[in-house]
Amino acid sequence: EDQVTQSPEALRLQEGESSSLNCSYTVSGLRGLFWYRQDPGKGPEFLFTLYSAGEEKEKERLKATLTKKESFLHITAPKPEDSATYLCAVQATDSWGKLQFGAGTQVVVTP
Amino acid sequence: GAVVSQHPSRVICKSGTSVKIECRSLDFQATTMFWYRQFPKQSLMLMATSNEGSKATYEQGVEKDKFLINHASLTLSTLTVTSAHPEDSSFYICSARDRRDEPYEQYFGPGTRLTVT
Repeated sequence: EDQVTQSPEALRLQEGESSSLNCSYTVSGLRGLFWYRQDPGKGPEFLFTLYSAGEEKEKERLKATLTKKESFLHITAPKPEDSATYLCAVQATDSWGKLQFGAGTQVVVTP
Repeated sequence: GAVVSQHPSRVICKSGTSVKIECRSLDFQATTMFWYRQFPKQSLMLMATSNEGSKATYEQGVEKDKFLINHASLTLSTLTVTSAHPEDSSFYICSARDRRDEPYEQYFGPGTRLTVT
């Protein structure tokens, strides 16, 4: 059975304090791993898709990396507007496009 | 690009009534749309997969007669919660898969907050 585990559950950072979020996954065959950002009361906002181990993608202060067992979302010099819940999801090759989500990491960045 | 809208954003209904939620892909065609529900402080749980022109596929434990899904066109899917009860109160979110050059990515709508009184 496919599983996605995110850690930590919550993270409190000072503005400018870099950190990393972890997403560990177990899947029969990985088609893609996705990172989303979700603000309270809103739908998830797409950030990245990673398809194979060793792949990296960057967007502003965010950088996502992928290995065969886990993915990291690195937040460099965060700002208060980076406060959100970050969701990781995997799509298996036999899933007909379905996403299996982790529970998310709630990030709060204080000035 | 890749914008998904939902309507309404919030709805309050009385127990026993039905509510319809619309999900539209605004600037792309979506052969597949997905419906999720999210309870407070929890992650998204997939309810069903909707393919244009065919019957929806429901996840285990989701009542297909209670949550009616119609995907009549490449840009519109609807979710109807029939005979709603307070336990159906939740945040319902749809997503759509762009059939163009990024076939595996899903783009999410802003969500619909349903409150059943």
